[in-house]
Amino acid sequence: RKEVEQDPGPFNVPEGATVAFNCTYSNSASQSFFWYRQDCRKEPKLLMSVYSSGNEDGRFTAQLNRASQYISLLIRDSKLSDSATYLCVVNGAGTALIFGKGTTLSVSS
Amino acid sequence: NAGVMQNPRHLVRRRGQEARLRCSPMKGHSHVYWYRQLPEEGLKFMVYLQKENIIDESGMPKERFSAEFPKEGPSILRIQQVVRGDSAAYFCASSLQDGRNSPLHFGNGTRLTVT
Repeated sequence: RKEVEQDPGPFNVPEGATVAFNCTYSNSASQSFFWYRQDCRKEPKLLMSVYSSGNEDGRFTAQLNRASQYISLLIRDSKLSDSATYLCVVNGAGTALIFGKGTTLSVSS
Repeated sequence: NAGVMQNPRHLVRRRGQEARLRCSPMKGHSHVYWYRQLPEEGLKFMVYLQKENIIDESGMPKERFSAEFPKEGPSILRIQQVVRGDSAAYFCASSLQDGRNSPLHFGNGTRLTVT
């Protein structure tokens, strides 16, 4: 099992749609979880951290399920500008932060 | 407040040459991470350094690759005797604390092409 796995997509949705991505991780001892965003293979940028109780930032909601070892990202009211690759990030066995390959989202008008 | 600065942006090397990639972290950041991204692949962790120390190099190839982060100056990722398979985008990121507790801020990357 890969350390961090994501469905590569692409997810093609119209503006205003709600879309959700999942990410699974293999290390049950992982404690740190994040979602980053990468546009056109430019530098990744932090979207949000993921907390045990779940957290929301505007149209974005992140959830953590430790029992099943997955995290999720929900985007409501999708905008054209949300089109990007979303990267799931989990800390590995040591201090390394492990990135998933990403899920590509394309929002169309 | 300048972000993470990487240079050069593009680097072309012939097989067998050396490549030196530089990364200046954000002001006040003492934690630096290096990642490699191959075409159509995700970001692969290479090494994590904190001023003058290598904290985690579990992702570094055993041969030809080395990294340093001296007390003064930028972090350097050095690739000796480059091969075509080294062609990739190399991203550096810095953080205020250990990246598990503090966001990573990425540079624009160095695109290495080995001919």
